[in-house]
Amino acid sequence: NAGVTQTPKFQVLKTGQSMTLQCAQDMNHEYMSWYRQDPGMGLRLIHYSVGAGITDQGEVPNGYNVSRSTTEDFPLRLLSAAPSQTSVYFCASSYWNRGADEKLFFGSGTQLSVL
Amino acid sequence: AQTVTQSQPEMSVQEAETVTLSCTYDTSESDYYLFWYKQPPSRQMILVIRQEAYKQQNATENRFSVNFQKAAKSFSLKISDSQLGDAAMYFCATAQGGSEKLVFGKGTKLTVNP
Repeated sequence: NAGVTQTPKFQVLKTGQSMTLQCAQDMNHEYMSWYRQDPGMGLRLIHYSVGAGITDQGEVPNGYNVSRSTTEDFPLRLLSAAPSQTSVYFCASSYWNRGADEKLFFGSGTQLSVL
Repeated sequence: AQTVTQSQPEMSVQEAETVTLSCTYDTSESDYYLFWYKQPPSRQMILVIRQEAYKQQNATENRFSVNFQKAAKSFSLKISDSQLGDAAMYFCATAQGGSEKLVFGKGTKLTVNP
């Protein structure tokens, strides 16, 4: 049971380049989400999904795209990277709306630097 | 909108002593959950403890316990018998009931001195 797997762990981009951060989970979770963590800012929600084909925006969605074609995968796309997107990105998943037993599982994060 | 405030950017404690990390929150929801997450230098996010707002009894997990004051919208974390491995960033978070969309505070960096 691998849990939530994020790739890559580190990435350096030049301004204007595009890339996709990968996230996969093997727990059959309906809910998947992306957060970014900036120094002194805590974690902020970028996008989330409650099932295949369903996505929605979080607190800081600008500059990012997502899609959910399968239950297992939830990639995050940066279409034109900017220095302001330098951050640590976390993917997280859980069962959706199942009450007190819900628990959010986090991946190990991707450190992204945009030069 | 929900907000979470952690007023202590940094805290330190002596090994084997007790430390309390503060958290206040604001929400208009009647059904919500509260969480404390630990982030060690490895960067992994680890759930320490969670509290359902409808439960009056404070949650405990071994050396970790919370003081949940619903009327004051306060949710502090007490770590007893602090260990070197407790050194980490600690994040307070809240989520509406039935939702996994967590709103995080800015975190408190805890140092444990030997």
